[in-house]
Amino acid sequence: AQTVTQSQPEMSVQEAETVTLSCTYDTSENNYYLFWYKQPPSRQMILVIRQEAYKQQNATENRFSVNFQKAAKSFSLKISDSQLGDTAMYFCAFMILRGGSQGNLIFGKGTKLSVKP
Amino acid sequence: DSGVTQTPKHLITATGQRVTLRCSPRSGDLSVYWYQQSLDQGLQFLIQYYNGEERAKGNILERFSAQQFPDLHSELNLSSLELGDSALYFCASSEPIGTGDGYTFGSGTRLTVV
Repeated sequence: AQTVTQSQPEMSVQEAETVTLSCTYDTSENNYYLFWYKQPPSRQMILVIRQEAYKQQNATENRFSVNFQKAAKSFSLKISDSQLGDTAMYFCAFMILRGGSQGNLIFGKGTKLSVKP
Repeated sequence: DSGVTQTPKHLITATGQRVTLRCSPRSGDLSVYWYQQSLDQGLQFLIQYYNGEERAKGNILERFSAQQFPDLHSELNLSSLELGDSALYFCASSEPIGTGDGYTFGSGTRLTVV
């Protein structure tokens, strides 16, 4: 079975500081993508960052970066210079590609991040 | 606006009733996915349609069914509703070719069963 584990149900960080959210996953597939989604109080699902499993270079999007360790099946999210607007639920997810087609996303249970002023 | 439209945004109904949730995918997207998010939980995959045909099934109850129409909009039908079916139901769509860009999510339908 394919699973995603987020071991930190809740975290908090001071504004302008850096925080890292953990995620591990389990799959026997080789061709997959990893994602972090943000869900603010509005409940909208917003893509934060994605990583192709075949790429060794870690993805970066402005203040957001990942540490992808394929052998360890680990995919952590680092948020630098945290802002109050980063307060949200963060979900780690992965998606398997089969025959060039996208499969469904498999989500972790989420980490609730609070950024304090 | 993400480009994925879900209606209605809110729905309150009684136990035992049947409701239909509607989703219009982003223009050009052939795949539609339905997810259920219960209170303080992650998203559970229900079902996927690709160009009108069922592609994959997840944890979808037998009381639930879905379809995708020729114009690519999709409907999720929930019947014999129970209190535990109260949740946020998301629809998402993705591009026709597996570029791995993930999904675009709608804003969800909040279903409350009383």
